[in-house]
Amino acid sequence: AQSVTQLDSHVSVSEGTPVLLRCNYSSSYSPSLFWYVQHPNKGLQLLLKYTSAATLVKGINGFEAEFKKSETSFHLTKPSAHMSDAAEYFCAIGSGTYKYIFGTGTRLKVLA
Amino acid sequence: SQTIHQWPATLVQPVGSPLSLECTVEGTSNPNLYWYRQAAGRGLQLLFYSVGIGQISSEVPQNLSASRPQDRQFILSSKKLLLSDSGFYLCAWSHAVGGHEQYFGPGTRLTVT
Repeated sequence: AQSVTQLDSHVSVSEGTPVLLRCNYSSSYSPSLFWYVQHPNKGLQLLLKYTSAATLVKGINGFEAEFKKSETSFHLTKPSAHMSDAAEYFCAIGSGTYKYIFGTGTRLKVLA
Repeated sequence: SQTIHQWPATLVQPVGSPLSLECTVEGTSNPNLYWYRQAAGRGLQLLFYSVGIGQISSEVPQNLSASRPQDRQFILSSKKLLLSDSGFYLCAWSHAVGGHEQYFGPGTRLTVT
């Protein structure tokens, strides 16, 4: 069975400081992994995806994530937080051909 | 480019009333389609997915049903709403072949009173 675990339900950072949102996964085969962002009362927007190519994946809005098989992790990072990054972030794993399993989300707060 | 629409954006319905939420996708053919529910403060729960017209898979037994009358149209329905049906409903699509990534619509906020 596949699963993802987002290790922090809330993260607060100051504007201009680095962002780290943590996601661990469990999978019996090579997974597809995704990060999404959701602003209040909006749909989810795909930030980036890992599908067994380069282990360092660059996404939109300056975000990137590194796939580490030895640590079963896929953490999301950004060098410098902006106020507009305040949102909820979801990690997801592709399960079978059609479906995702989502993490429970991490709410990012950016302090001025 | 592809776009996905959902309506209505918000809905307030009394307990016991029927429900119909609609989702349409433009700019692609034969997409996989998905309905999710997001309860307050919780993650996303997959409700239904469809790989073709008339083909619906249900993930969770519940008070809801889904239909796909056309290739790019996905409808979520209920005959009698429960209080527990309140939430944020999201429709998503993905390509039938190729990458897994799903693309989400703007969502419908449903409040059952």
